[in-house]
Amino acid sequence: DTGVSQDPRHKITKRGQNVTFRCDPISEHNRLYWYRQTLGQGPEFLTYFQNEAQLEKSRLLSDRFSAERPKGSFSTLEIQRTEQGDSAMYLCASSLTGFYGYTFGSGTRLTVV
Amino acid sequence: DQQVKQNSPSLSVQEGRISILNCDYTNSMFDYFLWYKKYPAEGPTFLISISSIKDKNEDGRFTVFLNKSAKHLSLHIVPSQPGDSAVYFCAASVGGSQGNLIFGKGTKLSVKP
Repeated sequence: DTGVSQDPRHKITKRGQNVTFRCDPISEHNRLYWYRQTLGQGPEFLTYFQNEAQLEKSRLLSDRFSAERPKGSFSTLEIQRTEQGDSAMYLCASSLTGFYGYTFGSGTRLTVV
Repeated sequence: DQQVKQNSPSLSVQEGRISILNCDYTNSMFDYFLWYKKYPAEGPTFLISISSIKDKNEDGRFTVFLNKSAKHLSLHIVPSQPGDSAVYFCAASVGGSQGNLIFGKGTKLSVKP
């Protein structure tokens, strides 16, 4: 297993368009997390899954954002009607239950123009 | 309101000397603390953690100290190596949540040969 994979690495989109990111976690990890990082800030929690169940969502996750993990394996994060303020690095991480030291992917950098 | 604060944006240290990175927090409910290291164009990498029931945890060249009364933790790297040059993030979690890590803004460490 090569770690957590995120696709695409970079995405440039026009304001108002929808975008979808994919995350493939480490295969034996049952927990999957999404974080967002903007310039000069630390990662900010968005949501996390245990298997296919979405257990927690941040208030940062407006109704334009939706995340799924349909079969408890890969996950997608969709942003509808993108805004310039959505420009950020979107990080995915995975772990086993009970272990706080997540493994992060390299992220998807979103630029909304 | 920042619950996890890293007040030094940057730190420069000579190779072989000790690096001390500091972190303060405000939420007394935090019961687990972690340090992550991040290289450019990569996701954060878990480094070391400490539970609030301990005051010290050591792993090779890395030691984390926790002072609960002062709501302060620090990461010591001894001896520092040029490969340690990265951004270091302090993170904290409220018991039972596990999914929601609160990160500081990071400290950029430069270790000069």
